Amino acid sequence: RKEVEQDPGPFNVPEGATVAFNCTYSNSASQSFFWYRQDCRKEPKLLMSVYSSGNEDGRFTAQLNRASQYISLLIRDSKLSDSATYLCVGGATNKLIFGTGTLLAVQP
Amino acid sequence: GAGVSQSPSNKVTEKGKDVELRCDPISGHTALYWYRQRLGQGLEFLIYFQGNSAPDKSGLPSDRFSAERTGESVSTLTIQRTQQEDSAVYLCASSLVGRPSQETQYFGPGTRLLVL
Repeated sequence: RKEVEQDPGPFNVPEGATVAFNCTYSNSASQSFFWYRQDCRKEPKLLMSVYSSGNEDGRFTAQLNRASQYISLLIRDSKLSDSATYLCVGGATNKLIFGTGTLLAVQP
Repeated sequence: GAGVSQSPSNKVTEKGKDVELRCDPISGHTALYWYRQRLGQGLEFLIYFQGNSAPDKSGLPSDRFSAERTGESVSTLTIQRTQQEDSAVYLCASSLVGRPSQETQYFGPGTRLLVL
């Protein structure tokens, strides 16, 4: 079983839609979590950290449920520019463990 | 300021040849990471440097892979006797202190390696 698992998608949604991505992790020693965004043929870039209490950054909301070992990302009012692969990432002491990513395609 | 840079951008090589991939981290960043990303796959951790030392080499897939870092700056990832399954994008990242669970990693654009 992979340490971080995501639905690969693709998620095809119209502009303005709300879309949610889910992620599960298997290593209970993981200390922190992040969502990275990767555009096609580009390097990953940090989108946001995920805090236990949940956190919001504009149209993006991240949630963490340690009991269920589950992380989510909610995107409201999707824009064409949100089209990318979203990588769920778990952090341990010396490394980050990346999920395979969920592909989002926002349609006009 | 300058971000993480990698060279070459693209490399095509023949099976059995050796290749060297270079990473220049952000100036002042203590930690440096190498990842591999195969087509349609997630990032696979290879190795982590804290300064010039590599406390975690657990991700190197075989003894054909090695990496070094000098001057707490430039790092080179070497793949000997390349195989077709080595074809991937090799990504380098750096971070300020080296606490992956607490700080942002900044990625370079990657080296696309194709082994024929």
